[in-house]
Amino acid sequence: NAGVTQTPKFQVLKTGQSMTLQCAQDMNHEYMSWYRQDPGMGLRLIHYSVGAGITDQGEVPNGYNVSRSTTEDFPLRLLSAAPSQTSVYFCASSYSRQGRENTEAFFGQGTRLTVV
Amino acid sequence: EDKVVQSPLSLVVHEGDTVTLNCSYEVTNFRSLLWYKQEKKAPTFLFMLTSSGIEKKSGRLSSILDKKELFSILNITATQTGDSAIYLCAVRPSGSRLTFGEGTQLTVNP
Repeated sequence: NAGVTQTPKFQVLKTGQSMTLQCAQDMNHEYMSWYRQDPGMGLRLIHYSVGAGITDQGEVPNGYNVSRSTTEDFPLRLLSAAPSQTSVYFCASSYSRQGRENTEAFFGQGTRLTVV
Repeated sequence: EDKVVQSPLSLVVHEGDTVTLNCSYEVTNFRSLLWYKQEKKAPTFLFMLTSSGIEKKSGRLSSILDKKELFSILNITATQTGDSAIYLCAVRPSGSRLTFGEGTQLTVNP
């Protein structure tokens, strides 16, 4: 199993450009999430999904869109990049276990995005 | 609004010291508390705690949860330079979401 795979690893965008950060997992996990990490602020939840076709907003959703057409993929779209979106982005997945607490979140290796 | 506060935010110790990292939380719904270690890249999982008073242990690391006082601690004994990292505490209020604290930057000097 590859686990959670994010692409690209690094990206530089100009203000106003759009792009999609890719996230794929091969563990058949129903839960997937996107976080951004800024210095001194821990990880903040952008959007999350509890299954294919179901998404919801997290703490900092503005400027980002997501979709979940398959269990495996959860892309994050930046509609019009701004310097404030310069950050490290992590995708994570987890799954539920009947009668027990859900598993821990498994993280991808991150995408370092710079918007100039 | 859910909130997780970690302390201290940074800590510098010498090899062999014992450290205690703190995590307090306020959430509308609690399911579990998780600790992660982050070096250069992705956070790696350490512990998940769901019940008060039950210590989880892995080698030199241990953690415990107090659901009455709403906090958790992570202990690292006989620290090594390889323990240098950011330690993240997160609370899970629902099955798919995690609320993270700011993290504690631990530096272990030889």
